[in-house]
Amino acid sequence: EPEVTQTPSHQVTQMGQEVILRCVPISNHLYFYWYRQILGQKVEFLVSFYNNEISEKSEIFDDQFSVERPDGSNFTLKIRSTKLEDSAMYFCASSTTTGGIGTDTQYFGPGTRLTVL
Amino acid sequence: RKEVEQDPGPFNVPEGATVAFNCTYSNSASQSFFWYRQDCRKEPKLLMSVYSSGNEDGRFTAQLNRASQYISLLIRDSKLSDSATYLCVVSPVNFNKFYFGSGTKLNVKP
Repeated sequence: EPEVTQTPSHQVTQMGQEVILRCVPISNHLYFYWYRQILGQKVEFLVSFYNNEISEKSEIFDDQFSVERPDGSNFTLKIRSTKLEDSAMYFCASSTTTGGIGTDTQYFGPGTRLTVL
Repeated sequence: RKEVEQDPGPFNVPEGATVAFNCTYSNSASQSFFWYRQDCRKEPKLLMSVYSSGNEDGRFTAQLNRASQYISLLIRDSKLSDSATYLCVVSPVNFNKFYFGSGTKLNVKP
């Protein structure tokens, strides 16, 4: 069964450093998402991406964050200058369609645990 | 006001029990509704989409009440493997944004 993959599984970084989290969505999917989950808290939507541009973003997704699809397979989340409060699990997801009745399933990757020291 | 609200639980039930979870959402224009399950320190996985007419998948039944803005999930004949956190997810009319509830924890005991 196709799956979303994410690397690395765990990233430790110093406050103020830049990190790039990588995701390989399922190959025929068109919509891509990043979510974060702070330990013990709910899953929070960060951004959705379609046709090489951001389609929606949340209040969390400020200027410190950016997303890119640099080639036909990877989908990346960059945090420019990490803060302690960025420590969380970051999930990537993808789907073939979005919205409406019978919205297609979002498949989630296993996540990258980011620890900011 | 939170977009999606759930009773955090935990719900502790014996094997074979029937358990029901509710979820309320604040945006009346919401269009798409889902139940996901999340095991400890794992990614969310879709359990089922929720349709206006209600839908059933084996032991799981989901219902949507648009007038009252709530979604329910019923699990019959609980199994030990059903122990997880159940997440209610709602998407508004502009589709490409998804709001997760905080989840309801279910513990099924032998």
